[in-house]
Amino acid sequence: DTAVSQTPKYLVTQMGNDKSIKCEQNLGHDTMYWYKQDSKKFLKIMFSYNNKELIINETVPNRFSPKSPDKAHLNLHINSLELGDSAVYFCASRPSWVDSADTQYFGPGTRLTVL
Amino acid sequence: AQKITQTQPGMFVQEKEAVTLDCTYDTSDPSYGLFWYKQPSSGEMIFLIYQGSYDQQNATEGRYSLNFQKARKSANLVISASQLGDSAMYFCAMREKNTGNQFYFGTGTSLTVIP
Repeated sequence: DTAVSQTPKYLVTQMGNDKSIKCEQNLGHDTMYWYKQDSKKFLKIMFSYNNKELIINETVPNRFSPKSPDKAHLNLHINSLELGDSAVYFCASRPSWVDSADTQYFGPGTRLTVL
Repeated sequence: AQKITQTQPGMFVQEKEAVTLDCTYDTSDPSYGLFWYKQPSSGEMIFLIYQGSYDQQNATEGRYSLNFQKARKSANLVISASQLGDSAMYFCAMREKNTGNQFYFGTGTSLTVIP
């Protein structure tokens, strides 16, 4: 059983398009995250939700909009895609926001390539 | 200032030998957690080991141990008896309680195990 799943795994698209990446976790976790990993492997947090509420919103262009329809899902919509958006996007979840010992469980990643 | 510093972009180790991957961190929060993740070439992020700031003993998980030196603010990962399957990127991460349990990642160390 997949704990944290993302779709699609690969996404190739043209500049200017709008695309979405979906994330689902079946672990019953309260907290979910989106990270961007660039070509140099640097992993940077983008957003975090706790019980469907936005908790962390890092300095990310407003072309990126997260949506959490329920606790188990956190989707990422990207408008007007640019070349610099090419990266691997990871979704992650964590049991709770407050328990300091909880690790994150990562999805398999979505490799986005903007042409 | 960088929250997490990994100064070894690449490391090589002979199979069956031990290797230490360095990680230093910067925080003034007395409550924090330190994590190590492994990212093989397949791309997924795998949680390896956790150390809490109040833990008295160094964390161990199988062949992984964390050399936690609080005064020096270092949390080095030690992998004993290296295996070919240990070849991967390794990321150190920290979570601080006073920044809302947000995770900060280092730039990673690429480990290659030589047969």
